[in-house]
This record gives sequence, C-alpha cells and structure tokens, in this order.
Amino acid sequence: NAGVTQTPKFQVLKTGQSMTLQCAQDMNHEYMSWYRQDPGMGLRLIHYSVGAGITDQGEVPNGYNVSRSTTEDFPLRLLSAAPSQTSVYFCASSYWGDGYYEQYFGPGTRLTVT
Amino acid sequence: SQKIEQNSEALNIQEGKTATLTCNYTNYSPAYLQWYRQDPGRGPVFLLLIRENEKEKRKERLKVTFDTTLKQSLFHITASQPADSATYLCALPNSGGYQKVTFGTGTKLQVIP
Repeated sequence: NAGVTQTPKFQVLKTGQSMTLQCAQDMNHEYMSWYRQDPGMGLRLIHYSVGAGITDQGEVPNGYNVSRSTTEDFPLRLLSAAPSQTSVYFCASSYWGDGYYEQYFGPGTRLTVT
Repeated sequence: SQKIEQNSEALNIQEGKTATLTCNYTNYSPAYLQWYRQDPGRGPVFLLLIRENEKEKRKERLKVTFDTTLKQSLFHITASQPADSATYLCALPNSGGYQKVTFGTGTKLQVIP
C-alpha cells in the first residue's frame, strides 16, 4: 500500500493565483482531513470528510474549498492564494477502530505564496 | 474548543536517560488522548493511544500516563537513543465529534550521544 500520497511536494504561487493540492489514500478509509502547520501554531484542521459526498469545515476553513467524490481522493482548492496561506499542508486519512480514530498522514505539501 | 499545552522549548537529554514530555489540556476531558511523532519534513506518525479509564499504557520503550484530574498526560521514552530525536505531538478528539482532532504544538526532543 502507498498509504496517503500528496502532490505536489513544493509549490510557489503568486497572490491571487488558484491551485489544487491533491491527496489520495489506498487504505479504504472513510475519514479524510486537511491540516495546515505553521511554526508555533501546531496542526490546524482546515476541512474534513466523513465519507464520499460529505465534507465539513474545520478550525480554519476560509480561503479553501474541498470536495469528496470518491473514497480515495480528497483535493484541497485554494481559490485566490494569499501570503497568509503560506504553510505546510498535510492530508490525513483514518478509520473508526476500537472506539477511536488513528490518523495516517501524507508527506505534506510546502506552499509559498508571494 | 479544547486547548492543549506542550512545552514549546526543546528538550535536550543525554542518550540512555529517560525523556519525559508533558501535555496539558483545558476544558472537557476527552475519551482518549494520542501521541504522534513527527520528523523534519515529514507527516506525523501515530505512536500510542490511552483511554480516559486507563492510567498508564506501555509500548516497548514508550510509556504514557493519563491523569484526568490534573488534565495532563506524560509521555516517557526510556533508554533514549539519538534516533528518538523528533518532535512529539499530543492530540485529543473534540467533544463535538471524534473525527475532529486538536493537536498540541509539539515538543522537540534532542537526544545527545
């Protein structure tokens, strides 16, 4: 199994540009989520999905859109990039095990907005 | 919402000693608490989970305690090795849904040979 994969690994955008961060998992996990990680702020939840066709907002959703058309894929879209969105983005998938969720993270995408 | 405090200062420890990391939380007591390890440039990796009705959990050289009265978890690495050097994050599920998880900012551990 490849686990959770993310593309690209690095990206530089100009303010106002749009792009999609790709995330895919091959573990048949129902739950997927997107986090951003900034120095001193820890991981913050952007959006999450509990299954195909179902998404919801996390702690910092503004400026980001998501969709979940399949169990495997959960892309994150930046509609109009801003310097404040410079960060490292992690996608994670998880399943409901013995009364808890254990999250599997991708390798991350480092995004710089100039 | 849940707030988590981890020592933001790096912890330097001599090889072979026991490293102890602290995770304090406010507000409600969660049903469980998790610890993750993160290496530079990589995503976090799940290490251990401890439930609210468990006082202590062990896995090889790792030990986690959970005190719901103090609202605190301690994470111990015994006989520490340079390969244990990493950032360690604690994480708690939100009361509104376990799929929403709050992470601490992490503590960077450096094991000195």
